[in-house]
Amino acid sequence: SAVISQKPSRDICQRGTSLTIQCQVDSQVTMMFWYRQQPGQSLTLIATANQGSEATYESGFVIDKFPISRPNLTFSTLTVSNMSPEDSSIYLCSVTGTSNEKLFFGSGTQLSVL
Amino acid sequence: LAKTTQPISMDSYEGQEVNITCSHNNIATNDYITWYQQFPSQGPRFIIQGYKTKVTNEVASLFIPADRKSSTLSLPRVSLSDTAVYYCLVGDRGGFKTIFGAGTRLFVKA
Repeated sequence: SAVISQKPSRDICQRGTSLTIQCQVDSQVTMMFWYRQQPGQSLTLIATANQGSEATYESGFVIDKFPISRPNLTFSTLTVSNMSPEDSSIYLCSVTGTSNEKLFFGSGTQLSVL
Repeated sequence: LAKTTQPISMDSYEGQEVNITCSHNNIATNDYITWYQQFPSQGPRFIIQGYKTKVTNEVASLFIPADRKSSTLSLPRVSLSDTAVYYCLVGDRGGFKTIFGAGTRLFVKA
């Protein structure tokens, strides 16, 4: 199994500012993903965080708005840039297990934008 | 990636068996069926995964008919703490680029 720590767990931010979310895994993992979960909704995949190269973004998500870093196999960051109230969501980090058979999720970062 | 269809919500009482069915008519030959559970303020948690027939673990059973176009998650003797959202996913075994459907909100009553 993989233990994932996300920071911060929650934050309240002002419109126009940026927030960086950190995801730390207790073991080296190949695949890391970032999801967004809007209030009362299901999860939407934002991007795959690639170690040593640019993240792969899903349709509707762009690097300028959600820059992602992955400097090594245990750590990644997601930045939510130039925030608006529509960005209020839970942001979740996810990794694939070492046996490549399932996803593990962090507890998420609850973001509220005023 | 195959699309899944689940009931939006279900109600049950403590001690009952709950069966949640998921339809995935366009499932590919190499696709696995995986179920996740999500409690409020937490990330989803893996419950069970299968390819065909029946899989059972300490938490649930997963029934998959021969045509694999649907699957049923069975939770034996649910308790209040089983109140959660249950997601059925179809795709790569390791969850690569996993697409979550709407999920089923299960309410367990005393």
